[in-house]
Amino acid sequence: DAKTTQPPSMDCAEGRAANLPCNHSTISGNEYVYWYRQIHSQGPQYIIHGLKNNETNEMASLIITEDRKSSTLILPHATLRDTAVYYCIVGSVGTSYGKLTFGQGTILTVHP
Amino acid sequence: EPEVTQTPSHQVTQMGQEVILRCVPISNHLYFYWYRQILGQKVEFLVSFYNNEISEKSEIFDDQFSVERPDGSNFTLKIRSTKLEDSAMYFCASSVDRYFTEAFFGQGTRLTVV
Repeated sequence: DAKTTQPPSMDCAEGRAANLPCNHSTISGNEYVYWYRQIHSQGPQYIIHGLKNNETNEMASLIITEDRKSSTLILPHATLRDTAVYYCIVGSVGTSYGKLTFGQGTILTVHP
Repeated sequence: EPEVTQTPSHQVTQMGQEVILRCVPISNHLYFYWYRQILGQKVEFLVSFYNNEISEKSEIFDDQFSVERPDGSNFTLKIRSTKLEDSAMYFCASSVDRYFTEAFFGQGTRLTVV
């Protein structure tokens, strides 16, 4: 699986958009980009995933660059409860059987 | 919202003992997984399971570990002869498909080996 690079930490003011970047320059054509988060050692929580196109759901938006070498997770209106470790993961379609490689992630701190 | 349920939330066991960690995946999910996280370290994949057999396993998942779906609802991880280094948070997860899209994780079982 392709390796990802994320900033170790970021801050965001409550109510503002949080934009979390991720580099995955060695991504291959059949690899998805997944975003998960982990709030204080709870189980990881699925946020969003995408292959090529930008995606949006009730939690977040995922913007993938045209060359697919990087992506940005956007939390449109961050709240204090969004403080968590955010993981950007790249995984193969069809062959991984859930074998995702979590990195260190980005610690997002949302402050009042 | 549907959830994956894990029991117990915390298990303390003596070194060398066997433990069974239990999980109830989401009812219409077909793919099941175990991950673990040693305190302060990354979340690590252990094993995936589909159609009553292991689909994929990591190097960590050696003969000490086994998984089973003993009935239609439970999914278990057995660790034989536990070691101190098995102390970790163990997470069960399930998904509808093998692409792990929208997989749900349980809240974890904290295993402490003393």
